[in-house]
This record gives sequence, C-alpha cells and structure tokens, in this order.
Amino acid sequence: AQTIHQWPVAEIKAVGSPLSLGCTIKGKSSPNLYWYWQATGGTLQQLFYSITVGQVESVVQLNLSASRPKDDQFILSTEKLLLSHSGFYLCAWSLLGGLSQNTLYFGAGTRLSVL
Amino acid sequence: GDSVTQKQGQVTLSEDDFLFINCTYSTTTYPTLLWYVQYLGQGPQLLLKVTTANNKGISRGFEATYDKGTTSFHLQKASVQESDSAVYFCALGPSNTNKVVFGTGTRLQVLP
Repeated sequence: AQTIHQWPVAEIKAVGSPLSLGCTIKGKSSPNLYWYWQATGGTLQQLFYSITVGQVESVVQLNLSASRPKDDQFILSTEKLLLSHSGFYLCAWSLLGGLSQNTLYFGAGTRLSVL
Repeated sequence: GDSVTQKQGQVTLSEDDFLFINCTYSTTTYPTLLWYVQYLGQGPQLLLKVTTANNKGISRGFEATYDKGTTSFHLQKASVQESDSAVYFCALGPSNTNKVVFGTGTRLQVLP
C-alpha cells in the first residue's frame, strides 16, 4: 500500500526566516508529485509538480522553490518567509500518464504560521 | 482557462436531510471530474471521480453525474450523517495538462 508522509506536522516561523518542508512517498515507483497550498478556509492552489527526479515545474510564483532529490522525495523551501506564506501545505502524488494522473492522493499536510 | 465554480460556501443540514452541492465547470478539453472531501485538520481525500461524460460516480452513499450538456457535476446524498461534516471540493482534471483545478469548496455542517 502507498503511504505519503509529510514533515513537520506544523511550524511557527518568523518573517524573513528560511523554511524547508518535506514529503516522502512509499510504495509507488516514479509517481508524479505535487505541492499545493491552502489558505485557511480556502481552496487548493497548485504550486509545483514533478514527473521525475531533478525536474520540477512551477505553477505559480510565490517566492517558494521545490526540488525532487530522490524518486520518493519532494522538498518545498524558501530562504525568506513572508506573512503571506502562512497556510496549509499539502503534498500529493498521482500515477504517471493518462487519466490516472488527474487523481491526486494527498498527505496530511503541514500547517505553517508566519509571525 | 479551466475553472470550477461552487456557489455554496456553506451548507447546514440536519441528520437524514438530503444533500445537494452545486458544481459547474468550464474547459475546452475532455476532463476527469472529481469530488474530494477534507475533514478538519486533514488532507483532502478522493470521494469519487468520473472520467466519461454522462456517467455517474457513486461512493459511500454520495453520487455525482458528469453532465456535459450543462457542464455540471453536482454532488448528492440522500441522507446525511453528522460524520459527513467536512469541506467538499469539486475538481477538474484536464486531459492535456498535469494540473487539477479545484473549486472554492463547500463546507457542510450536519447537525445531530
């Protein structure tokens, strides 16, 4: 069975400080990986996606970056946090190709508060 | 561009009431249509999906029909329970991109 693990569960950070959030997928080889952001009570905004190691596509510009150092790992980071970065960050995976790639499976998320 | 509209921000019902959540979409492709449910403090979970127009998806008592004519994918349930309280997102997966577009979500509160 596939499992998706996000870390940390929650973070409280100061404006201007760096951030690194992680996501690991087990039990699925070469998945598509995604980062989504959700404001409190808001919709889900896709930030990045990756179809293979070392390749990441940016969907929106929010002064964030993402990397895929391993097949099963996806990292979201920034060197300088803004107040607007607060929210719920969700990692997701899908199968590669065809209609299956439109079915996303989400992790439990990381709640970020920037003060 | 592709978009999904959910007009209801919040729905409040009593147990055993009928649920109807409105969802319409706009796209130039042949999409997959999906409903996700997000319980408090958790990531969204896939509730049901339909890949072919005029087909119906059914899961856990919920159902939605992919209506290409009216570009709608409304979610229904005959009798809601308090445990159904959550946020429901309608989503569209275009056939030619790697992006799933979500609606703004409908918060369902079911009172005992």
